[in-house]
Order: sequence, then C-alpha cells, then structure tokens
Amino acid sequence: DIQMTQSPPSLSASVGDTVTITCRASQGISNYLAWFQQKPGKAPKSLIYAASSLQSGVPSKFSGSGSGTDFTLTISSLQPEDFAIYYCYQYNNYPRTFGPGTTVDIK
Amino acid sequence: EMQLVESGGGLVKPGGSLRLSCAASGFTFSSYNMNWVRQAPGKGLEWVSFISGPSTSIHYADSVRGRFTISRDNAKDSLYLQMNSLTAEDTAVYYCARGGTGDFWGQGTLVTVSS
Repeated sequence: DIQMTQSPPSLSASVGDTVTITCRASQGISNYLAWFQQKPGKAPKSLIYAASSLQSGVPSKFSGSGSGTDFTLTISSLQPEDFAIYYCYQYNNYPRTFGPGTTVDIK
Repeated sequence: EMQLVESGGGLVKPGGSLRLSCAASGFTFSSYNMNWVRQAPGKGLEWVSFISGPSTSIHYADSVRGRFTISRDNAKDSLYLQMNSLTAEDTAVYYCARGGTGDFWGQGTLVTVSS
C-alpha cells in the first residue's frame, strides 16, 4: 500500500499569510494526487486534482504542485474561511490512501 | 444542482449488518465511478471502496474486504454499501464521493456499532 505523509501536522497562521503544506508518497504516484479541505462537521471539499489542477469554483488562492513522491499545497492570503483541515489523497493505486491531514488554525 | 444524499446509517450491534444508500441527482450518474469513504469520530479520512460506472471494476480496502459489498443501480441513480459483520472499528461517518478524484461528496451518514 502507498503511505501518504503530510507536514506539518498542524500550523498556526494569521489572516493574510501564505502557507504551504507538504505531502509525500511512499512510492511514485505520478501526478495522481488530490487535495481536500474539511471544516468541522462538514464533508470534505475537493480543491485540487492531478496535483495542480484547480477544481471548478475553487479560488486561485489555492495552488498545488509536485509529481512523483513530493507534493505541495499553497494557500495564499489566508482568510477566516480557510482555517480547516487539509488532506492529500493518492488515486494512482489501490487501495486509495489519504494523508493524515494538516490542521490550519488561527494564530 | 448536483446532489449526493447518503442514508441508511444508524446504531447497530457488533456482528450486525447495515445497508447504506447514496442517491445521486443533477448529473449523469452512470457516467461516473463512485467511492465510499469513511471517517471515524475525531479521525482522518479512510477510503473504503470503489465501483466503476458500469460496475465492471470493484475494489475494497483490506479492512472491509469480505465483509462489505459495494454496488450500484444506474437506473435508480443510486450507490449502495452492504456492511456485514460490523465491529466497533467500523463506527464512522460514511461518505459517498464521485469520480476517481472525489470531486463531489455527499453530507455523510453516521454508522455507530455498539452493544
């Protein structure tokens, strides 16, 4: 199985900051990597697929990059609605696997 | 408007069974692969199962293989998860998610396995 790790596990940031979350796969997954945002009590929301493609309706403040084993999600100009948990997800192999999540909270 | 609405969750005793449903609307359901993903209380996301649009390809997580069965009825725009031999470790919110990338999710249904 492909293991997904994320760093940092959590981070504190201020409104207006730019933050970067890293996701690493235990083996190469090409660009079959997605990012999700989840707020308390809500279903996950897809932000990015194919490592760097923005889902329809997602603001361009979210950007993704990477290929192979190392990926990043960058969120620019953090706003109050961006404070949430972010998960990476590989869909190159079965079983599909999620990263453990990164909590972005307000400093 | 696209919608995925899960139902069928509830309280069940260990060893019991439950069938979850996911009703789709607002898009051509048969054209999309579908997934079940679960989230135990206070924990992260765990992929459970996948089914292709024509049901020709099915996959399961090791943790549920042999106990859970995914299926779909494209005529009814519905996805199902038959869950047997449930244990406390299966307690979670169960989400249906559209497509290989999970581009759209339902609101989830809570399954609680407890005596």
